[in-house]
Amino acid sequence: SQQGEEDPQALSIQEGENATMNCSYKTSINNLQWYRQNSGRGLVHLILIRSNEREKHSGRLRVTLDTSKKSSSLLITASRAADTASYFCATDASGANSKLTFGKGITLSVRP
Amino acid sequence: DAGITQSPRYKITETGRQVTLMCHQTWSHSYMFWYRQDLGHGLRLIYYSAAADITDKGEVPDGYVVSRSKTENFPLTLESATRSQTSVYFCASSGLRGPRGADTQYFGPGTRLTVL
Repeated sequence: SQQGEEDPQALSIQEGENATMNCSYKTSINNLQWYRQNSGRGLVHLILIRSNEREKHSGRLRVTLDTSKKSSSLLITASRAADTASYFCATDASGANSKLTFGKGITLSVRP
Repeated sequence: DAGITQSPRYKITETGRQVTLMCHQTWSHSYMFWYRQDLGHGLRLIYYSAAADITDKGEVPDGYVVSRSKTENFPLTLESATRSQTSVYFCASSGLRGPRGADTQYFGPGTRLTVL
């Protein structure tokens, strides 16, 4: 069963605009991670936020976490055509191993 | 070159045949994972391994076998391939769980498998 559910399923924006993607999950987590997947490639880790953190930044990426609502958002500012990809949230709900549970992903298209 | 590699990148086989997908990582990561990615299902965990000779089932293990005799290798075998196993398979590795929780995962480029 999927732990993380991303929303929307697909997003199309103009270059220069901001892109906001959301992830909701069902059980308590230790951390939440966002990954990007370019077409035909493997997933690449973007950012990790721990359960006791509320916001984290990395370059043009901003991630927030609201554990009371069991949700996270990924904001990409000043988007570029190269940001076109699928984005996945992954949750760490395990206690003893390094398993992650991935959502189904959001397809982001950035129009030049 | 360091990293995580998968072979073959593309494979076409027939129903009933045995197929082995290879995964090799050069980081000496403890954990290794096998996922399948299908449209509408996202990424689903097949098997994972916490260390050499330690493996465990994931969400969709039926029809698959894994082994891990060496830390750096984690082959996935489809003992008798079925059409429903047509998918893109990703291998990933990560370090031990730490203060932040589960470590980040590093993915291979994937193997596109077609079962006719």
